Amino acid sequence: NAGVMQNPRHLVRRRGQEARLRCSPMKGHSHVYWYRQLPEEGLKFMVYLQKENIIDESGMPKERFSAEFPKEGPSILRIQQVVRGDSAAYFCASSPSGVAADTQYFGPGTRLTVL
Amino acid sequence: GDSVTQMEGPVTLSEEAFLTINCTYTATGYPSLFWYVQYPGEGLQLLLKATKADDKGSNKGFEATYRKETTSFHLEKGSVQVSDSAVYFCAPRGAGNMLTFGGGTRLMVKP
Repeated sequence: NAGVMQNPRHLVRRRGQEARLRCSPMKGHSHVYWYRQLPEEGLKFMVYLQKENIIDESGMPKERFSAEFPKEGPSILRIQQVVRGDSAAYFCASSPSGVAADTQYFGPGTRLTVL
Repeated sequence: GDSVTQMEGPVTLSEEAFLTINCTYTATGYPSLFWYVQYPGEGLQLLLKATKADDKGSNKGFEATYRKETTSFHLEKGSVQVSDSAVYFCAPRGAGNMLTFGGGTRLMVKP
């Protein structure tokens, strides 16, 4: 059973460009979470999605950031007009529904570098 | 909101030494508690969890007990190995399903 997949693993963008980060949850998982890790820091929650719904986006910056989890295909975290401060590792996690939703499984992350 | 306090690292130990990494948290209600481990350049791996008071989570020789009265979830291992060198994160999972992470504790084990 494949784990959580993220791509690309490394992404380099120049200031002002757009970054698209993809996350495919584990098979059978319908909940997706995005976290951001700044250098030498812990992870900070950004957004929680279920298929076609944003459940909690309290950790998302108000501007330039958006996330979706369509009925078909991976979840996408989109950052428009990137700035140097967006440089970080972005991790996706997934969990199943029901009681087992307690545990989140993480992908390998996408390391975004903004030049 | 929820918060986590972990002992600051790095923690440097010799192989076969006893390990304790302290973790205390504040959260609404009675959250599930998790320890994750992050090896260099990788994502987080679930190490162990506990879902209610007095539960003990264990995996690969690591243990942690859910202490409701002290809101703590300290990680212990009786004999560390060089391969245990990594960053360890304590994280309660609150009512909103999100995990709240502390700053992590870097463990370095010397041969």
